[in-house]
Amino acid sequence: GAGVSQSPSNKVTEKGKDVELRCDPISGHTALYWYRQSLGQGLEFLIYFQGNSAPDKSGLPSDRFSAERTGGSVSTLTIQRTQQEDSAVYLCASSPQLGGANVLTFGAGSRLTVL
Amino acid sequence: KQEVTQIPAALSVPEGENLVLNCSFTDSAIYNLQWFRQDPGKGLTSLLLIQSSQREQTSGRLNASLDKSSGRSTLYIAASQPGDSATYLCAVKRGGSYIPTFGRGTSLIVHP
Repeated sequence: GAGVSQSPSNKVTEKGKDVELRCDPISGHTALYWYRQSLGQGLEFLIYFQGNSAPDKSGLPSDRFSAERTGGSVSTLTIQRTQQEDSAVYLCASSPQLGGANVLTFGAGSRLTVL
Repeated sequence: KQEVTQIPAALSVPEGENLVLNCSFTDSAIYNLQWFRQDPGKGLTSLLLIQSSQREQTSGRLNASLDKSSGRSTLYIAASQPGDSATYLCAVKRGGSYIPTFGRGTSLIVHP
């Protein structure tokens, strides 16, 4: 596609429920990142994928968070048993490859509100 | 661990002013640095990317400079306009790491 697409754009859920957030990167981009942006905070790295390599999960805040990337394209971030502190905007970005002069392109984000 | 600081946190200027936004980083062994703008409720839009071997990049009214030795980058905006109002973030990719580290941003308001 022309840009990075994220869905849903807004999600309101009750504490304890599971949520799935989807990211569709730019076609051909092999690197994909997930970040979280909480109110008044900077962007917090969560996870990245590069092609078929094992993802770097070092930023995931707890084992309630997981992500997968199917076929080297679409990625899903799953949050189990959501807590109120999970409320944030979840941003996905892709780039043509991991290193080099490759510009990160971000999606519009998925705003998650946990009641 | 790379730490990225942006000063000031907020800035309000009248239309037409030239202004400078600052980005400081603690580890000078960087791979590249990227400037973004974020409009309220939106994602990030890339403005400029500077490789570690470069000193500056220009795009229209924007000029970004990089001084690795002092751990600083500046984003210069010439002849500011109300449409420039947004939050500006810098992201530093350290050598040997593929994870860009972001500053908290500078919130800019340009009033008519």
